[in-house]
Amino acid sequence: EIVMTQSPATLSVSPGERATLSCRASQSVNSNLAWYQQKPGQAPRLLIYGASTRATGISARFSGSGSGTEFTLTISSLQSEDFAVYYCQQYNDWPPYTFGQGTKLEIK
Amino acid sequence: QVQLVQSGAEVKKPGSSVKVSCKASGDTFNTYPISWVRQAPGQGLEWMGGLIPIFATPNYAQKFQGRVTITTDESTSTVYLELSSLRSEDTAVYYCARDGGPFDPWGQGTLVTVSS
Repeated sequence: EIVMTQSPATLSVSPGERATLSCRASQSVNSNLAWYQQKPGQAPRLLIYGASTRATGISARFSGSGSGTEFTLTISSLQSEDFAVYYCQQYNDWPPYTFGQGTKLEIK
Repeated sequence: QVQLVQSGAEVKKPGSSVKVSCKASGDTFNTYPISWVRQAPGQGLEWMGGLIPIFATPNYAQKFQGRVTITTDESTSTVYLELSSLRSEDTAVYYCARDGGPFDPWGQGTLVTVSS
């Protein structure tokens, strides 16, 4: 089973600034990596797939990069609606699909 | 554009079973996989299993083998998750999602509470 590790667990950033979230896989997942945003009481929402492709309707402020075992989600110019929990997920080697433990992005 | 609508919240006793439904609309149902993911209170996301309705052959996470059953009813475009031998640790929100590798879209979630 591939273990996904996200860092940091909590990230405090001021509105208007940039946030950088990291995700590491225990073995290569090529580019088969997705990012999700989850707000309280809501289902997760797909942001990025294929490590760097934005899902339909996702703002260009969200960008993904990386391949193999190291991945980054960058959110430029943070807006109030961006403060949420973010999860990465690998779909290269399954079953099982595996998720990171999440990064909580909070307002500084 | 597919939409997934799940059944309502459940309260169950330890040792019992629960069956949660996920009804699809708006797209061809039987050609894409559906997965189930759960989230315990304050915790992360955990994949439980999934299937492609047209094949009806499920894959399950090893953790849930023997306790989970995923089935489909093509006539109603519905996928079901049944979890047996419930314990308090199974208290969670259960989500279905279209499984294209990445999961999109997701159902709204079903809260299952296991309590004596």
